[in-house]
This record gives sequence, structure tokens and C-alpha cells, in this order.
Amino acid sequence: DIQMTQSPSSLSASVGDRVTIACRASQSISNFLNWYQQRPGKAPKLLIYAASSLQSGVPSRFSGSGSGTDFTLTISSLQPEDFATYYCQQTYSTPRTFGQGSKVEIK
Amino acid sequence: QVQLVQSGAEVKKPGASMKLSCKASGYTFTSYYIHWVRQAPGQGLEWMGVINPGGDTTSSAQRFQGRVTMTRDTSTSTVYMELSSLRSEDTAVYYCARVGKFLTGSLDFWGQGTLVSVSS
Repeated sequence: DIQMTQSPSSLSASVGDRVTIACRASQSISNFLNWYQQRPGKAPKLLIYAASSLQSGVPSRFSGSGSGTDFTLTISSLQPEDFATYYCQQTYSTPRTFGQGSKVEIK
Repeated sequence: QVQLVQSGAEVKKPGASMKLSCKASGYTFTSYYIHWVRQAPGQGLEWMGVINPGGDTTSSAQRFQGRVTMTRDTSTSTVYMELSSLRSEDTAVYYCARVGKFLTGSLDFWGQGTLVSVSS
């Protein structure tokens, strides 16, 4: 199975900050990497697919980059509604493993 | 509009089975794969398996093989996920989710989740 490791596991930031979350795969997954946002008590929401493509309706302050084993999710200017947990998921092979999550909290 | 509506919360005893449903609407049911993902309390997301409603083929994570069965009913646009031999560690919120773009495998629409509690 491909292991997905996110860092950091949690971070504190202020509104307006630039936030970066990293995701590393245990082997190359090309660009088969998606990012999700999950608010407490809610289902996950797709933000980025294929490593860098913005899902329809998602604000442009979200962006993704990377290929192979190393990927990044960036929020250019953190907004109050962005405080949530973020997950990466590889879809290169089965099982479709997720990272452990990165929680973005208010400083 | 695309919707996935899941069945209601369940309480089960250890050793029992559960069968959850996920009713799709707003799109062609047989054209999009459906995945099942679960989340234990306070934990992360765990992929369980996938069903192709168009061909009735399935694939599941090895740790669930032998315990999980995924089926679909095209007449009602509903997929089902049955998990047997339940144990306390199966207590979780179970989500169904649709693959929007097949080549990327990304999950673009999710059900609201079903909470399953396993306790004696």
C-alpha cells in the first residue's frame, strides 16, 4: 500500500496568513493526488484534483502543486471559513489511501 | 443537482452486520463510480472500497475483504455497503462519495454520512 504522510499535523495561523501543507507519498504517484477540506461534523469537500487543478466553485486562494512523491496545498490568504482539517489522497493505486490530516486552527 | 443521500444512524452489537444505503440523484447513476470512506471518532479518513454501478464490479481494501460487500440497485439508483462481524473498532461515520472525473479518481460529491455505533 502507498503511505501518505502530511505535515504539519496541525498549525495555528491568523486570518490573512499564507498557509502551506505538505503531503509525501511513499512511492511515486505521478499527479494522482487530491486535496479535501473537512469542517467539523461535515463531509469532506474536494478542493484540488490531479495535484494542481482547482475544483469548480473553490476559491482561487487555494492552490496545489507537486508531482511524483512531494505535493503541497497552499492557501494564499487564510479566511475564517478555512479553519478546518485538510487531507490529501492518492488515486494512483488501490487502496486509495489518505494522509492523516492537517488541522488548521485559529491563532 | 447531484445528491447522495445516505441512510440513518445505526446502533449494532458486536458480531452483527450492517447494511448502509446511498441513494444517488441528479446524474446518470451508472456512469460514475461510488466509493465508501469511513471516519472513526476523532480520527482521519479511511478508504474502504469502490463499486462501479454500471458494471457491478467492486474492489475493497484488503483489511475489509471477507467482511464487506458492495452492491447496487439501478432501478432505484442506490448503492449498498454491507459490513459483517462488526466490532467496536467499526464505530465510525461512513460516507459514500462519487468519482467525478474518472481519470483522476477525485471524489466530487459526498453523502452526508451515516453514524454507526457498535457496542454491547
